[in-house]
Amino acid sequence: GIQVEQSPPDLILQEGANSTLRCNFSDSVNNLQWFHQNPWGQLINLFYIPSGTKQNGRLSATTVATERYSLLYISSSQTTDSGVYFCAVNTGNQFYFGTGTSLTVIP
Amino acid sequence: SQTIHQWPATLVQPVGSPLSLECTVEGTSNPNLYWYRQAAGRGLQLLFYSVGIGQISSEVPQNLSASRPQDRQFILSSKKLLLSDSGFYLCAWSVGTGIPYEQYFGPGTRLTVT
Repeated sequence: GIQVEQSPPDLILQEGANSTLRCNFSDSVNNLQWFHQNPWGQLINLFYIPSGTKQNGRLSATTVATERYSLLYISSSQTTDSGVYFCAVNTGNQFYFGTGTSLTVIP
Repeated sequence: SQTIHQWPATLVQPVGSPLSLECTVEGTSNPNLYWYRQAAGRGLQLLFYSVGIGQISSEVPQNLSASRPQDRQFILSSKKLLLSDSGFYLCAWSVGTGIPYEQYFGPGTRLTVT
């Protein structure tokens, strides 16, 4: 299967700071998603982004499919941004998840 | 709009007991359905996926099985639970034939095997 690596594994930020999370994948994929898992375990869809750039409020994402990576940008972080961020890629009927980036935003 | 339900939300079961977790999707037809397990708060492991009624693909040989008796119902079962079956079980759905689109997750079931 496809290998999906996320970096950094852990990140601690002061409220208001910006951050960039990275997702590398080992082979061509059909699509890519970013999720935020909140402290209650719910996986929230952030972006469906097989290629290009999308923005949603303080969050934006860029996927460069030809170079097999995606970036998630969080600007002006808030404590509610805390949690684990996952990227997932898809080939055929299967989705492959990275091991996540655990983000803690300190007030 | 589409919604996905899972129950129970939490479960504590003794080793050797049976298991049945249920997932249902509303508001869509012929979805692709998935069962994942997450241990220790990180890393989702795909257990099973289904592209239609009665069609189940298993990703990891283990103590669990899955069934899809109806179009929008997906069930995860075990005849005898092991301690290693503890974890957070997530059901998900997507649409798309051949190349699925976005995947959406249910609220999960937290299983503790004692």
